[in-house]
Amino acid sequence: EVQLLESGGGLVQPGGSLRLSCAASGFTFSSYAMSWVRQAPGKGLEWVSGISDSGGGTYYAGSVKGRFTISRDNSENTLFLQMNSLRAEDTAVYYCARGASSSCYSRLDVWGQGTTVTVSS
Amino acid sequence: DIVMTQSPDSLAVSLGERATINCKSSQSVLNSSNNKNYLAWYRHKPGQPPKLLIYWASTRQSGVPDRFSGSGSGTDFTLTISSLQAEDVAVYSCQQYYSSPFTFGQGTKLEIK
Repeated sequence: EVQLLESGGGLVQPGGSLRLSCAASGFTFSSYAMSWVRQAPGKGLEWVSGISDSGGGTYYAGSVKGRFTISRDNSENTLFLQMNSLRAEDTAVYYCARGASSSCYSRLDVWGQGTTVTVSS
Repeated sequence: DIVMTQSPDSLAVSLGERATINCKSSQSVLNSSNNKNYLAWYRHKPGQPPKLLIYWASTRQSGVPDRFSGSGSGTDFTLTISSLQAEDVAVYSCQQYYSSPFTFGQGTKLEIK
């Protein structure tokens, strides 16, 4: 069964850091692009960041560029999102999602259950 | 950035009736080299992750009931549910994957009338 399992969410103070992980199983992780998508309370979905199959291509939303870093370990079938300089507006459920191809220019066909990040003092 | 604007923000439809949701992009998401529209639709229910319904603007994802259909090209797109079922109550969002950042619409909340 194809599965994505996020972890690493929690409560963090403004200006703090957090590292999210997404463990993939049931498919050849190294063949697919991956993305992070978030949903703030009461808001719609916001695409945050994406990474190509090899990790050679990375993409970011303007709202997180320079603060968040996406990476992947294909030997461990794991996707990461390093989040620094966190702000209250980063509070959201963060979903890990699989792209339908090796490129980030693709639909998101498999989603994890999400992990909650709360930025508050 | 490409801005995706959905209409309406919310919609109430009777069971068995047709539901239509629109999505407009601020610039074309049609790739002229392959004649594909880089547009997807997702359904999002509370407490669950989003689910892919439609991609390439009109291709149904495997396992999605045929009451769901997508249409449109360029900048204007539509998701149609031909006969609303109770389990279709959710928020529906469009997303363009033509250009980074791969933006979503604000979502349309679909309810039963």
